[in-house]
Amino acid sequence: QVTLKESGPALVKPTQTLTLTCAFSGFSLSTPTMRVSWIRQPPGKALEWLARIDWDDDKFYSPSLQTRLTVSKDTSRNHVVLTMTNMDPVDTATYYCARTYNYGSGSYASDYWGQGTLVTVSS
Amino acid sequence: SYELTQPPSVSVSPGQTATITCSGDRLGDRYACWYQQRPGQSPVLLIYQDTHRPSGIPERFSGSNSGNTATLTISGTQAMDEAEYYCQAWDSSTEVFGGGTKLTVL
Repeated sequence: QVTLKESGPALVKPTQTLTLTCAFSGFSLSTPTMRVSWIRQPPGKALEWLARIDWDDDKFYSPSLQTRLTVSKDTSRNHVVLTMTNMDPVDTATYYCARTYNYGSGSYASDYWGQGTLVTVSS
Repeated sequence: SYELTQPPSVSVSPGQTATITCSGDRLGDRYACWYQQRPGQSPVLLIYQDTHRPSGIPERFSGSNSGNTATLTISGTQAMDEAEYYCQAWDSSTEVFGGGTKLTVL
């Protein structure tokens, strides 16, 4: 059974750095078909892809946020960590991590999602 | 950067067919997938690799992708299908979501 769960602070102040952890089970991030993505959703708005880390430690970031984002993994502990620097009230959102599966031939999809964690940025 | 465009809203009567489109430059040259998100819940994968349904997804959900448009079709729409729907595709190893379509079952 595949599960993912996000954890981190519910409230951060402007200019602070946000650190979120995705704890997963039921798959290994050392398997070539596996990736973990981070996606966020501001209240009442659309999904926005943030970052992804692949089984081989390749990392990919949203072009608009790449200077603020860092993703890393601890394969032995089944954790993926996302940090976002210089937080602003517009970054208030529910942050999701998801398993992204490689179906082959350049086809990927996020087939399991965490429950999400709401992060509010306010002084 | 690559963009995917969806209609903000689509309405359908129960039992009828709902069609939700997703447009992007030469989208048919890459794979698209679709997610359903009910209020207060995490997204659920409905369609991957343009046309494939994961295990557990009802057969009334189907997908296609050609030219500049990917399409999600819901046949025999049910009240429980009222939700937000998002398309997604990949561009240069980054992932892009459409803006979402609110499906209302009248």
